[in-house]
Amino acid sequence: EAQVTQNPRYLITVTGKKLTVTCSQNMNHEYMSWYRQDPGLGLRQIYYSMNVEVTDKGDVPEGYKVSRKEKRNFPLILESPSPNQTSLYFCASSYTEAGDEQFFGPGTRLTVL
Amino acid sequence: GNSVTQMEGPVTLSEEAFLTINCTYTATGYPSLFWYVQYPGEGLQLLLKATKADDKGSNKGFEATYRKETTSFHLEKGSVQVSDSAVYFCALVRMNSGYSTLTFGKGTMLLVSP
Repeated sequence: EAQVTQNPRYLITVTGKKLTVTCSQNMNHEYMSWYRQDPGLGLRQIYYSMNVEVTDKGDVPEGYKVSRKEKRNFPLILESPSPNQTSLYFCASSYTEAGDEQFFGPGTRLTVL
Repeated sequence: GNSVTQMEGPVTLSEEAFLTINCTYTATGYPSLFWYVQYPGEGLQLLLKATKADDKGSNKGFEATYRKETTSFHLEKGSVQVSDSAVYFCALVRMNSGYSTLTFGKGTMLLVSP
């Protein structure tokens, strides 16, 4: 089954404790991205990747890192999480670019205390 | 810069009512436009799209027409069902440093009662 998977689905952590949210797709997509969803703010893009080893900042990249060492994986790293990073995070992938149909993962609910 | 503005929700309707969710955009040129839908507890999924002026996207009884004169892409459905209850996002593609990215509106929640 074609899908985007994220892990973990739920995470409660404390300020400053490094964490990684994994994202993997099995559709051989080149384009992958991370979004955060907050009430009243909708979806905002954090980072995106056009292909292996090619990434760029989205609209809200501060406090986040990404890497794209393999085509299928696009992990989101929070080196020192803070409470303002409490949010619902979505990974998405598409064939080659943002204008192609985006396939979204199920989301990761992160709480930083 | 490029942006998308949607009507605020929630939109509350009875089953079989007519639905309109307004979406207007600001952009240079003529970007492709999208509606994505998010059902409770799930990620977003593409509902429909239009790539040029006067195009009409349609899917599952929903329609939206790309109107460059009014810079709008309003979502409509003639008869909503309870199962249409979800959050609807309007979006456009924009170029950023030579690559394309999606800009979403804030979303409009639709609640349909039996």
